[in-house]
Amino acid sequence: GESVGLHLPTLSVQEGDNSIINCAYSNSASDYFIWYKQESGKGPQFIIDIRSNMDKRQGQRVTVLLNKTVKHLSLQIAATQPGDSAVYFCAENHGANNLFFGTGTRLTVIP
Amino acid sequence: DAMVIQNPRYQVTQFGKPVTLSCSQTLNHNVMYWYQQKSSQAPKLLFHYYDKDFNNEADTPDNFQSRRPNTSFCFLDIRSPGLGDAAMYLCATSRPGQGTEAFFGQGTRLTVV
Repeated sequence: GESVGLHLPTLSVQEGDNSIINCAYSNSASDYFIWYKQESGKGPQFIIDIRSNMDKRQGQRVTVLLNKTVKHLSLQIAATQPGDSAVYFCAENHGANNLFFGTGTRLTVIP
Repeated sequence: DAMVIQNPRYQVTQFGKPVTLSCSQTLNHNVMYWYQQKSSQAPKLLFHYYDKDFNNEADTPDNFQSRRPNTSFCFLDIRSPGLGDAAMYLCATSRPGQGTEAFFGQGTRLTVV
């Protein structure tokens, strides 16, 4: 399944399918991006990050893609599991000591 | 484990009664942030400290203040809470500079009655 982030804040996928969560950022000066996972009643938890000199970075079951031309970021989760159900935020950093969050996407995994 | 700890997890305060939320860290990070997160919304940066230097976001209301007495502790003071200030308040820390991950506490959920 795939979301368009700002325009589709919820995404439902079947367990075992791949998920794609999208994020559009606004500041062309942003040079560092993080995806956070936030479960209900908890603080955001780091998933993966990427710097602006890269266009792809892979972690365990997750991949982040960065397209600076269109200011777009995506998070791909392979073989989505029920424990992946949460709200996912992209966050951007420009300049020192700041981190601004985009609109989240709620991912629901259907067993 | 090194971590960011927020107390209390839940806070109920009366309309107009000053309230203080606290955050401590064992990561020895120079930078500490306070975010406000309303239901189904993204965390919104209120301000941050780089060591003792306080940096307020332009749209943060004057009703919100902060104190950082030492590296480990940071406080969020809401001088006169209104119903619209009910939210989750998140504290985070990071190393200084560009391109560094922020580590978050579990948040304090504030209810205003």
